[in-house]
Amino acid sequence: AQSVTQPDIHITVSEGASLELRCNYSYGATPYLFWYVQSPGQGLQLLLKYFSGDTLVQGIKGFEAEFKRSQSSFNLRKPSVHWSDAAEYFCAVGAVGYSTLTFGKGTMLLVSP
Amino acid sequence: SQTIHQWPATLVQPVGSPLSLECTVEGTSNPNLYWYRQAAGRGLQLLFYSVGIGQISSEVPQNLSASRPQDRQFILSSKKLLLSDSGFYLCAWSVQGARNEQFFGPGTRLTVL
Repeated sequence: AQSVTQPDIHITVSEGASLELRCNYSYGATPYLFWYVQSPGQGLQLLLKYFSGDTLVQGIKGFEAEFKRSQSSFNLRKPSVHWSDAAEYFCAVGAVGYSTLTFGKGTMLLVSP
Repeated sequence: SQTIHQWPATLVQPVGSPLSLECTVEGTSNPNLYWYRQAAGRGLQLLFYSVGIGQISSEVPQNLSASRPQDRQFILSSKKLLLSDSGFYLCAWSVQGARNEQFFGPGTRLTVL
């Protein structure tokens, strides 16, 4: 079975500063990896995904993530945060042969002026 | 294009009353369907998933049940609600065999009083 750890429950970043949200997973083979974003009272929106190939993936809203197999990580980054990025971010892992995803507990991003 | 609908958007119910939440997907056939619950500060909990009509897998034993009477319809039910059933309920779908990339509905906010 897979597991996902998002070590930061809350992160506060100043508007315009860079952002990195951490995600570590546990799985024996190459996983499928996802980042989702959730604004208050809304559903989850897919930001980006990694299945195979280039380990640096680009997503929507200027986000990117890098798959590092040696560190079992899939950290989300953005070079300059906007106030509208304030939301909760979830990392998720899937695998061949499984019909479900395993989600991390989420990281709440707060953006200060 | 595919869309996913959930209703109602909000619901306030007394303890002991029944529950029925509905989720429908348009624009795709034979999707995998999922029900999740978010309770305050507890992340995303998978409740049920379905890979076909009448096929339901339960992830968490509780007083909730799910049914899939039609290919693109997924219903979450309870005969008697508990206070602990309060939360934000999300439906999601994925294409079978497509690496579990899931797409989420807008959610239903349930408050049990």
